Amino acid sequence: GAVVSQHPSRVICKSGTSVKIECRSLDFQATTMFWYRQFPKQSLMLMATSNEGSKATYEQGVEKDKFLINHASLTLSTLTVTSAHPEDSSFYICSAGTGAKNIQYFGAGTRLSVL
Amino acid sequence: GQQLNQSPQSMFIQEGEDVSMNCTSSSIFNTWLWYKQDPGEGPVLLIALYKAGELTSNGRLTAQFGITRKDSFLNISASIPSDVGIYFCAGRRSRDDKIIFGKGTRLHILP
Repeated sequence: GAVVSQHPSRVICKSGTSVKIECRSLDFQATTMFWYRQFPKQSLMLMATSNEGSKATYEQGVEKDKFLINHASLTLSTLTVTSAHPEDSSFYICSAGTGAKNIQYFGAGTRLSVL
Repeated sequence: GQQLNQSPQSMFIQEGEDVSMNCTSSSIFNTWLWYKQDPGEGPVLLIALYKAGELTSNGRLTAQFGITRKDSFLNISASIPSDVGIYFCAGRRSRDDKIIFGKGTRLHILP
């Protein structure tokens, strides 16, 4: 149980394009989903917390207009990197919280490369 | 943002050795979690701890929730090559229920 699917696993795009990443909880309903960014050999940096049906809560320094988050259902959250630039290249990981303790289960991550 | 103090940052060990890593904080936590991340993958939950003093095992892995509720350790016994990866601790801070991650411990096994 507690499987989180993240898609795509890898995306290469041109500068200026927008990229959408999907995060799905396959066998449970997640009222809360989290989006992280991870630079090489670094820890996980929380970008935003999204609750189903409401606006995402962004961490300080994260541009909400740059990283659009939609959490339309209890099993799906999306992150759209708008007008991507090379500095947005990174490993993006989502997680979904479940249970009374809201334990986070992670997706496999999406490696974004912006040319 | 605040991060847990996780140590060591990296370890180089021989196959078969035991491993120990820990996380400490100045804040009190009500949950401790240990994850493992393989290269190019998302973290996978290894052990979850919910009570002070709790000691939980998962195969060769053992983790404990510190009595002070400000620390936790993870031990790996008789390491094998597939143990290589980054281990992250995470704690749920009692005062606001926020999950905080450590910076990770990179485990390397020498040939």
